[in-house]
Amino acid sequence: QSALTQPASVSGSPGQSVTISCTGTSSDVGSYNLVSWYQQHSGKAPKLMIYEGDKRPSGVSNRFSGSKSGNTASLTISGLQAEDEADYYCCSYAGVSTYVFGYVFGTGTKVTVL
Amino acid sequence: QVQLVESGGGLVKPGGSLRLSCAASGFIFRDSYMNWVRQAPGKGLEWLSYISTTGASTNYADSVKGRFTISRDNGYNSLYLQMNSLRAEDTAVYYCARTNDYGNGWYSAFDIWGQGTMVSVSS
Repeated sequence: QSALTQPASVSGSPGQSVTISCTGTSSDVGSYNLVSWYQQHSGKAPKLMIYEGDKRPSGVSNRFSGSKSGNTASLTISGLQAEDEADYYCCSYAGVSTYVFGYVFGTGTKVTVL
Repeated sequence: QVQLVESGGGLVKPGGSLRLSCAASGFIFRDSYMNWVRQAPGKGLEWLSYISTTGASTNYADSVKGRFTISRDNGYNSLYLQMNSLRAEDTAVYYCARTNDYGNGWYSAFDIWGQGTMVSVSS
């Protein structure tokens, strides 16, 4: 399975909003509302930010929101802050058969706060 | 607290083997689907394998199928990855991670991650 496609980088000034796209296929993103998003600061483990397309785990700021249209999912960061500068990865559930599944991650996007 | 701690990484020659371990604490391990995910230096995340709560169901990415084997011991709250026939391209930080279904039966979110263990494959 090929990696989901994300832009290599996006940037914005503090207080602005940025949106990261994540394009897959009808076999993954398009078939399930099961896209998750992860934030990874340099040298650290990834952190879950969004699951099932648009749900936030407890403790994640409401400045982070997710959506999906067709084969493309999106993550929007509103009110950009310096601490948001990190790499972001999308991930989609991908069913293989009735009882077997897998996952495919995106290529990753570097968010820079100007 | 909720924690996953990987161990077993190191330097190995091409063609060699290594066994990674992941110790879980702070949550009900035996009720959790578990995974291995890796990240090559300067590259993105790559899912490798999952294992169901009892170990009855597993799956692997094509890149490691036939070479890597995932297993677990619920009595010891531990997850393992046996890696054989290692190649230079297997050089990466290896993370264990839990997938959560948030009660709906779809294990789609990696909600707990370890700090990772580095595996280097080089002659």
